[in-house]
Amino acid sequence: DTEVTQTPKHLVMGMTNKKSLKCEQHMGHRAMYWYKQKAKKPPELMFVYSYEKLSINESVPSRFSPECPNSSLLNLHLHALQPEDSALYLCASSQDKRWTLSSGNTIYFGEGSWLTVV
Amino acid sequence: QKEVEQDPGPLSVPEGAIVSLNCTYSNSAFQYFMWYRQYSRKGPELLMYTYSSGNKEDGRFTAQVDKSSKYISLFIRDSQPSDSATYLCAMSAAGWNQAGTALIFGKGTTLSVSS
Repeated sequence: DTEVTQTPKHLVMGMTNKKSLKCEQHMGHRAMYWYKQKAKKPPELMFVYSYEKLSINESVPSRFSPECPNSSLLNLHLHALQPEDSALYLCASSQDKRWTLSSGNTIYFGEGSWLTVV
Repeated sequence: QKEVEQDPGPLSVPEGAIVSLNCTYSNSAFQYFMWYRQYSRKGPELLMYTYSSGNKEDGRFTAQVDKSSKYISLFIRDSQPSDSATYLCAMSAAGWNQAGTALIFGKGTTLSVSS
């Protein structure tokens, strides 16, 4: 079983709503990620946090706002989304930003939050 | 040319068959190679990872990397209906995520194993 926990598993929101996706890991990982995955497409990186600091923002629209309150938690705040933002949002973590496979430091994904914007 | 190419399938095999899944890539700087399994409506689950060239075996799964041909493979022996899923290859030039060197995924191959 994955040790990256995401809530909620399913979310339906209107275009004027404000909602948040939450992610938690207790593996002591210091890098956490948000990915977006559309149907039959590979995951696309959105944000990377390293030691609770935003490290990478892959040109994501401001209607998506990430937050890393502590080393175990990662949130994605959603506001004024569009129907095309409907997707599976995946949280992932790794030991640190420098994930060296030789030491077994790899990226682990949560089960995802299915978001539908109506 | 896309950085990572993967045939989306679907690939249908009978139970017990040997399955071969493949990806090709164009960036010769890629050194880290992974295979993820994703069941319908679930997040990707890491199956295998290798660094640089060579083979790696774990139970019924074998991962191969041929850097000279820029080709990676995942073999599944004695396939089971529970192996029915989408298999994503992923690779990176660097052992870390920084702008421009993030983990690059293939589109995934959908596998169906019938009993």
